This record gives sequence, structure tokens and C-alpha cells, in this order.
Amino acid sequence: AQKITQTQPGMFVQEKEAVTLDCTYDTSDQSYGLFWYKQPSSGEMIFLIYQGSYDEQNATEGRYSLNFQKARKSANLVISASQLGDSAMYFCAMRDDTGGFKTIFGAGTRLFVKA
Amino acid sequence: DGGITQSPKYLFRKEGQNVTLSCEQNLNHDAMYWYRQDPGQGLRLIYYSQIVNDFQKGDIAEGYSVSREKKESFPLTVTSAQKNPTAFYLCASSISSGVVYEQYFGPGTRLTVT
Repeated sequence: AQKITQTQPGMFVQEKEAVTLDCTYDTSDQSYGLFWYKQPSSGEMIFLIYQGSYDEQNATEGRYSLNFQKARKSANLVISASQLGDSAMYFCAMRDDTGGFKTIFGAGTRLFVKA
Repeated sequence: DGGITQSPKYLFRKEGQNVTLSCEQNLNHDAMYWYRQDPGQGLRLIYYSQIVNDFQKGDIAEGYSVSREKKESFPLTVTSAQKNPTAFYLCASSISSGVVYEQYFGPGTRLTVT
């Protein structure tokens, strides 16, 4: 069965430092996509980064990178040089073929960036 | 500017009334989705549509209905049969329904039923 697990309900990071948000997933499919979204207090969901199951290189988008370890079924988000505006909820999500192309989301991690 | 609009941002209804949440996109996306989010939780899929005039139930479809008569519009009706309708509702779209396509989200509608 498809599943996304985010084990960190809340995380604190000092401004300008790097932080890693954990995500593990479970799927029996070989073809799947992994996504990270940011949800500020305003409520809208903002797409950050995507990793395909067949991609050999870890995805990067500006200060965001995805540490993809396929054998361990983990897709951790790394935010470098944290900024105060990074304080938000972060959701890991997955879509695969067997799920009828539905996207499932983890419970989220709330990140607090300290000045 | 391309994007997804949801209206209204806040909606209040009395128990027993049906209410329709609007979702419009001008991104020319084929697939559209409705999610429900409860406080402190992730998103749960209510309904999704991969193409006009077709839609499928998600994980929590009971008490909800949708239509997809136009590519750009995917309204959600919360019926009186939904036992706990107070929640934050998010509409999303993607180019297609394949595994590689990220979703774009609207600003959400916060529904309160008393």
C-alpha cells in the first residue's frame, strides 16, 4: 500500500543554517514521483521540488535539494541557508501508477526558523 | 497571470445546507483535484478529474459531489450528508495525471458549518 511518513512534527533551525526534513515512503510500483510542498500560514500549497524514481541524480532547486535514497525509500528535503520566510509547514508527497495517479501526502513537518 | 482561483476565501453555513465551493484554473491543465485539510494534518483527496466530463472518487468522497463540465472549472458541493464539513478545502490542477507532474494549488476556502 502507498504510504508517506514524516516523523518530525516540528523542527527548529537557526537562520542561515541548513536543515533536513525527513520523508520515507512505501510503494510497490517501480515508477513514481516524489514531491515536496511548502504551506505558509496563508494556507496555499507551494510546489518546491520533484524527484522521479528513475532519476539517478538528486534533484536541486535553488536552496532546496532532495536527498533521494531509493533503496531506503527515503526522500529527505534539505534547505540550505535557512531564511525567516522558510518558517512554514512542509509536506512530502508521492504519486505512482498503481495509485491511479492519485497523490498522497504525509502529515507534514512544521519548520521554525529562529533569528 | 495563470493560476487557480478559489472563492470565497471564507464561507459560513448552517448545518443542513448544501454549499458549493468554486475552483477555476486558466493553466490549460487537464487534471484537477479537491483536497480537504483538517487542523494539523495533511491533505486528503476528495475527488479528482483527469479530463472533462470524467471524475473519480478519492479517499473521502462521501458527502461530497463534483462536476467537470468545462476544462477550467471543477466545483465541489459539500452536501448535508457530510457529517463533519468544517475544514480547509484546497483545489489543485496538474498538466496531466502522470507521475511526473506537480500540482498547482489555489489559495483555499475555509468552510465553517455551525
